[in-house]
Amino acid sequence: QKEVEQDPGPLSVPEGAIVSLNCTYSNSAFQYFMWYRQYSRKGPELLMYTYSSGNKEDGRFTAQVDKSSKYISLFIRDSQPSDSATYLCAIPTAAGNKLTFGGGTRVLVKP
Amino acid sequence: GAGVSQSPSNKVTEKGKDVELRCDPISGHTALYWYRQSLGQGLEFLIYFQGNSAPDKSGLPSDRFSAERTGGSVSTLTIQRTQQEDSAVYLCASSYANSNQPQHFGDGTRLSIL
Repeated sequence: QKEVEQDPGPLSVPEGAIVSLNCTYSNSAFQYFMWYRQYSRKGPELLMYTYSSGNKEDGRFTAQVDKSSKYISLFIRDSQPSDSATYLCAIPTAAGNKLTFGGGTRVLVKP
Repeated sequence: GAGVSQSPSNKVTEKGKDVELRCDPISGHTALYWYRQSLGQGLEFLIYFQGNSAPDKSGLPSDRFSAERTGGSVSTLTIQRTQQEDSAVYLCASSYANSNQPQHFGDGTRLSIL
């Protein structure tokens, strides 16, 4: 079992819809959770950074952590074509802060 | 301020040649990471530098891979005797030193081995 699992998609939605992305992880000791957005031929860009359980909101983005289920989610409200990208969850899984990434979910928002 | 800078952005070389990839981290960031992103394997950790401590090389796939960081800033990742399976995007990230600080990535070097 991989430490971090993510549905690869692709996920296609109409403009204005809510995009729902999620990852599962294996180790209940993980405490910090990140979401990155990656456009084609670009590096990952940090979107959300959360600690422990609960919700965190930033504009149209909401990150949710459920530590009891070892499940993290990212919601994008009022999706725009510019949100079309690959979304990666990432968790620091060892000393030294090295990140373990999910495989990424490709999202396409159609005008 | 400037983000993480990587060069070259693209590199094409013949199998068996050595390559050097460069990373210039965000000013003030003392932690520096190299990752590799390939179609089959996703994004994988390679090596981590923190200040003057010995680097964590646990992700390097073979002894053909090495990295150094001079003066606590710029880093170079070297791949010797390149193989076709080394073709990937090599990404560099940096962060502040404190544990679990978010990492900021460059746009990577796209390496193609012919």
